[in-house]
Amino acid sequence: QVQLQQWGAGLLKPSETLSLTCAVYGGSFSNYYWIWIRQPPGKGLEWIGEINHRGITNYNPSLKSRVTISVDTSKNQFSLKLTSLTAADTAVYYCARGVGRHPPGRGWGQGTLVTVSS
Amino acid sequence: QSVLTQPPSVSAAPGQRVTISCSGSSSNIGNDYVFWYQQLPGTAPKLLIYDDNKRPSGIPDRFSGSKSGTSATLGITGLQTGDEADYYCGAWDSSLSAGVFGGGTKLTVL
Repeated sequence: QVQLQQWGAGLLKPSETLSLTCAVYGGSFSNYYWIWIRQPPGKGLEWIGEINHRGITNYNPSLKSRVTISVDTSKNQFSLKLTSLTAADTAVYYCARGVGRHPPGRGWGQGTLVTVSS
Repeated sequence: QSVLTQPPSVSAAPGQRVTISCSGSSSNIGNDYVFWYQQLPGTAPKLLIYDDNKRPSGIPDRFSGSKSGTSATLGITGLQTGDEADYYCGAWDSSLSAGVFGGGTKLTVL
């Protein structure tokens, strides 16, 4: 049973960079894509992007200019960086597992609330 | 504005059946599989249905999925108070080359 555990700073200022990491325990790391999703307070889900073990990525076009997703296969971890933050980036950020070019399946992180405020 | 369209809310009595619709286009639902998720308050979404109509192990057969053209439907029978949650549909959009979700539907079990 795969488990995803995520961490990162929860309070950031406008213009700063968000940085989150997700560690994967159990199951294969190389057979899947690893996904970031966010959910603003009281709103729906937004797909941010995904990466596989070779570093192949797909990004949401609306966020692509500010997003970088990277992978560390030696640690079975993947990370999200989102630059030039504004209040609109305030959300719960989730990491999840997928099979590539599909929505996420089973295996989600616990979520991290990131608040952008001066 | 979400790429996939869901009703904001639905409601039904315990024991009854409810359906939640998800409308998209030829570049997402009409071209690829639909996934459905249940999100209880304060928790991460949980996969209910994948590949239009398949249930992961452990998901009761009270939950079902179907698709026709560019629309999909989640059905829940034998409603229980524990089914009160937000439900989301998701798909891959080949025009965006990105995952997309519906805006979510809040289910109330009266």
